Amino acid sequence: DVKVTQSSRYLVKRTGEKVFLECVQDMDHENMFWYRQDPGLGLRLIYFSYDVKMKEKGDIPEGYSVSREKKERFSLILESASTNQTSMYLCASSFPVQPQHFGDGTRLSIL
Amino acid sequence: ILNVEQSPQSLHVQEGDSTNFTCSFPSSNFYALHWYRWETAKSPEALFVMTLNGDEKKKGRISATLNTKEGYSYLYIKGSQPEDSATYLCAFSSTGNQFYFGTGTSLTVIP
Repeated sequence: DVKVTQSSRYLVKRTGEKVFLECVQDMDHENMFWYRQDPGLGLRLIYFSYDVKMKEKGDIPEGYSVSREKKERFSLILESASTNQTSMYLCASSFPVQPQHFGDGTRLSIL
Repeated sequence: ILNVEQSPQSLHVQEGDSTNFTCSFPSSNFYALHWYRWETAKSPEALFVMTLNGDEKKKGRISATLNTKEGYSYLYIKGSQPEDSATYLCAFSSTGNQFYFGTGTSLTVIP
């Protein structure tokens, strides 16, 4: 079974902190994605990567950056956390075109 | 940002009823459409990958159809059961890499 592992289920940080969300997949997928999910807005793509060291902006990249140094790991970075970044964050991975496999999500609260 | 719309937003049905919902997407530059099921406290799981106009896919009591020329897909559930209660998401892609998710249809099946 494909496993996508997110480093934390729940995280509480303070405004202005630098926050790292880590995601690891074990199926050698080329594509990896970071989404945030907010009530009434569905899943919105922050960044995705289709290869090591490659990244593409999604719909809402402002305030975020990403890193993909190894194929299995895709990190989401909040450079200076703000309260409007309180949300559920979901990581996913896939082969091109194929369905995405999601992690369990990280519920991030910024105080 | 591409517009992917799902309707209805939520639905309550009695156990044993059949139901269907709609996903609308841009009819130009179609590459693939995915359907996912997202149960509370779990991560989204893929139901179907649809790539060809006229595709019909079936998994147990759940089936889906695709019309790429007019830009819609239907998901059908026959004889709904309480365990079908979930949010059903569709995701559209024009490239095979980046997918745009709808906001989902929340289904509640009343025993």
